[in-house]
Amino acid sequence: EDKVVQSPLSLVVHEGDTVTLNCSYEVTNFRSLLWYKQEKKAPTFLFMLTSSGIEKKSGRLSSILDKKELSSILNITATQTGDSAIYLCAVEPGTYKYIFGTGTRLKVLA
Amino acid sequence: KAGVTQTPRYLIKTRGQQVTLSCSPISGHRSVSWYQQTPGQGLQFLFEYFSETQRNKGNFPGRFSGRQFSNSRSEMNVSTLELGDSALYLCASSLAPGSRSTLGWVGEQFFGPGTRLTVL
Repeated sequence: EDKVVQSPLSLVVHEGDTVTLNCSYEVTNFRSLLWYKQEKKAPTFLFMLTSSGIEKKSGRLSSILDKKELSSILNITATQTGDSAIYLCAVEPGTYKYIFGTGTRLKVLA
Repeated sequence: KAGVTQTPRYLIKTRGQQVTLSCSPISGHRSVSWYQQTPGQGLQFLFEYFSETQRNKGNFPGRFSGRQFSNSRSEMNVSTLELGDSALYLCASSLAPGSRSTLGWVGEQFFGPGTRLTVL
C-alpha cells in the first residue's frame, strides 16, 4: 500500500534556528512530491519536486528530493514566528491522486 | 488570477441529511480533486476529476459522490450524513495536462479555502 510518512510529528524551535523536516514515501510509481504549508486554513503550495527537478529554493525555504532514499527534506533557515504552521508532504503515485503525510507541526518561539 | 473558490464556507447539518459542496477551480485548470481533512486522519483523498471524468477515487463509502461540469466546476455530495462526516472538505485544482506522456500526472495542486461541515 502506498504511504507517506513525515517526521518529526512536531517541533518547537526559537526564532533564528534552522529546521529540517523529513518526508519518506513508499509508492509504486512515483511521479511528483509536493510540500505545503498549512496555517489555520487551506494548505498553501510551497514546492513541487520531480525526477527532473530534485531541488527547489525560495527565500529561506529549500527542498531536496532523494529518489534513491525515497525521501525529501524541507529546510527552513533563520526561522520566524510566521513560519509556525503544519507542513504537509504529498506524493503522487501516478494514479491521478496525491497521498498526504500527517504533517509536521512546527512552532517557532519568539 | 482568482484562486480556487469553495461554497459554502460553513455548513451545519443533522444526521441523515445530505449536502452538496461546490468548487470552482482556477481559470484554465481542468483537474479538480477533493479531500477530507480531520484531526485524526489528516488529508484523505476522495476523488479526482478531469474533463468531467472521474479518474480515481479514494476509500470512502458510496455515500460520497462527485461530478465535474464542462466548465471544470465540481460538486461533491454526501448523502445520509453521519457524525463522522464532520470535517473540513478541501478542493484542489491543477492544470493536469492529461496527455499520454503524463499518464497519472496531476501536477501542482492549489487548494481552496475549504468547506467546514459539522454534522449534529
